[in-house]
Amino acid sequence: TQLLEQSPQFLSIQEGENLTVYCNSSSVFSSLQWYRQEPGEGPVLLVTVVTGGEVKKLKRLTFQFGDARKDSSLHITAAQPGDTGLYLCAGLGCGGSAGNNRKLIWGLGTSLAVNP
Amino acid sequence: EAGVVQSPRYKIIEKKQPVAFWCNPISGHNTLYWYRQNLGQGPELLIRYENEEAVDDSQLPKDRFSAERLKGVDSTLKIQPAELGDSAVYLCASSLATAGQGNYNEQFFGPGTRLTVL
Repeated sequence: TQLLEQSPQFLSIQEGENLTVYCNSSSVFSSLQWYRQEPGEGPVLLVTVVTGGEVKKLKRLTFQFGDARKDSSLHITAAQPGDTGLYLCAGLGCGGSAGNNRKLIWGLGTSLAVNP
Repeated sequence: EAGVVQSPRYKIIEKKQPVAFWCNPISGHNTLYWYRQNLGQGPELLIRYENEEAVDDSQLPKDRFSAERLKGVDSTLKIQPAELGDSAVYLCASSLATAGQGNYNEQFFGPGTRLTVL
């Protein structure tokens, strides 16, 4: 069974601080997605990383996929209150049937609060 | 372009009552998902449709939950009878089903229906 562990589970910081959220697994994923979910809304896709070692930047957010494609990190620079939300990672499996390839494995999320 | 639409947004019912949720996916998205999400946690897949066929319903509690996707577009998720433990947010998502290079199963979510069972 493929599992994705996210850490920390909760994070409360002051505006302007930097933070890193981690997504780890013992399984290899063909790609990995990061979503952000605000209260009362559904998750919204931020980025998809595909290649081992890949780094993608989205304004103040930097996403990295591990070389072995088993882990990923999200780094936020100079956090703002608008970054508050639940950050979810989701991995797409490797191999197997086409049906399994399309099944995302979800982490439990990191709940981030950025205080003004 | 309209996103995934869900209704109702909120539902409060007493235990043992039935409840139904409706979802309209993004136009052209052949794959539709129903998830259940508890507060502060990740989504748990209940059922996945490819067009009108349920291709993964292994996590759907079939004694009380049912779903349908008529004509491969809109979908309805039903709970009958509801139990206290069913209180959660029920999310619908859709994605393109095109196989091959570049399809990473990126999902687009509706706002969810928050169910409270008293």
